[in-house]
Amino acid sequence: DIQMTQSPSSLSASVGDRVTITCQASQDISNYLNWYQQKPGKAPKLLIYDASNLETGVPSRFSGSGSGTDFTFTISSLQPEDIATYYCQQYDNPRALTFGGGTKVEIK
Amino acid sequence: EVQLVQSGAEVKKPGESLRISCKGSGYSFTSYWISWVRQMPGKGLEWMGRIDPSDSYTNYSPSFQGHVTISADKSISTAYLQWSSLKASDTAMYYCARHPGELLNWFDPWGQGTLVTVSS
Repeated sequence: DIQMTQSPSSLSASVGDRVTITCQASQDISNYLNWYQQKPGKAPKLLIYDASNLETGVPSRFSGSGSGTDFTFTISSLQPEDIATYYCQQYDNPRALTFGGGTKVEIK
Repeated sequence: EVQLVQSGAEVKKPGESLRISCKGSGYSFTSYWISWVRQMPGKGLEWMGRIDPSDSYTNYSPSFQGHVTISADKSISTAYLQWSSLKASDTAMYYCARHPGELLNWFDPWGQGTLVTVSS
């Protein structure tokens, strides 16, 4: 299986800060990489698909980039409602989908 | 509105069987695949497997192959996840999620989750 390594596992930032999360694949996955937000007690929500495509209705402060093995997820200006855990997910092998370990984002 | 509505929380004993459900509405159920995802208490997301409701073709993660069965009844737009003999380690939240196709594997939307507790 393709392993997805997310970092950091947690972070604390102030409202308005730029937040960056990275996800590294154990092999080349092209742009087959998605990002999800999971708020406490809720189901995950798709934010970005195919590495950089913003899902309809998702605020533009969220963005994604990268290809191959290295990917970045950015919140340009952290808001209180962005407190959540964020996960990357690869689908280069559609029969063995895998998630990163998650990044918990908190307000400082 | 596209929705996936899952069955309610379950409390079971080790060795018992269980089937949980995921009903789709607001879209053509046979035009999208359904995956199941496990989240153990305080842990991350694990993909279990998926089904094409149009023909019930399934793929399983090697980690879950042989431990669970995924099925679907397209006549009632419902997918299922079942166990024949539960273990305490099956205690988790289980989510279903829709994805656009066999090669398009982003999950949107997700069901609200079904909490399964296995305890003697």
